Amino acid sequence: NAGVMQNPRHLVRRRGQEARLRCSPMKGHSHVYWYRQLPEEGLKFMVYLQKENIIDESGMPKERFSAEFPKEGPSILRIQQVVRGDSAAYFCASSAGAGGNTIYFGEGSWLTVV
Amino acid sequence: TQLLEQSPQFLSIQEGENLTVYCNSSSVFSSLQWYRQEPGEGPVLLVTVVTGGEVKKLKRLTFQFGDARKDSSLHITAAQPGDTGLYLCAGRKGAQKLVFGQGTRLTINP
Repeated sequence: NAGVMQNPRHLVRRRGQEARLRCSPMKGHSHVYWYRQLPEEGLKFMVYLQKENIIDESGMPKERFSAEFPKEGPSILRIQQVVRGDSAAYFCASSAGAGGNTIYFGEGSWLTVV
Repeated sequence: TQLLEQSPQFLSIQEGENLTVYCNSSSVFSSLQWYRQEPGEGPVLLVTVVTGGEVKKLKRLTFQFGDARKDSSLHITAAQPGDTGLYLCAGRKGAQKLVFGQGTRLTINP
């Protein structure tokens, strides 16, 4: 998973604050995916983006969560008014294209809401 | 509803034993990937299988994709403590998102 850079690695927020998680895909990759992992569980899909477009957001909660992947700069996963249930590991992944291209993951961002 | 079912979910065996982890689905996938995840880290890709019936080997690990591309298995020969970790299978349909199984937590005891 070398190359997919996520920051911050660890983030602590109080209930009601905003959390912003950043992801820079591997060089040459234009497809970004965000996943959430709760303790002792598998990865749950949240959103799939290409540059400036949201392709699939079927896994995103309807409220408080948003994602973007601008033409320039990293992809951002934004969580507004965080609650304790948002505490989880958030993983970003990238691929060079759609279809059979392999997807590589970053190291993750661990969000703790206190 | 879990699209990909992994079994077993937990497995603890002694060093030197062999084991098989299964990943099953009623859906057909265009590709299937196996990852290994250590605590506090992201999933690390082990292998991608694409063709029905395909077998790939990675040292003591053997991966197989079912003929119908609905299931896969991971076989580890002569397991070592260093193999301990969470093993995840993930399937993909065309250009769609990667869907994960719930994982198999493997512990190899010295």
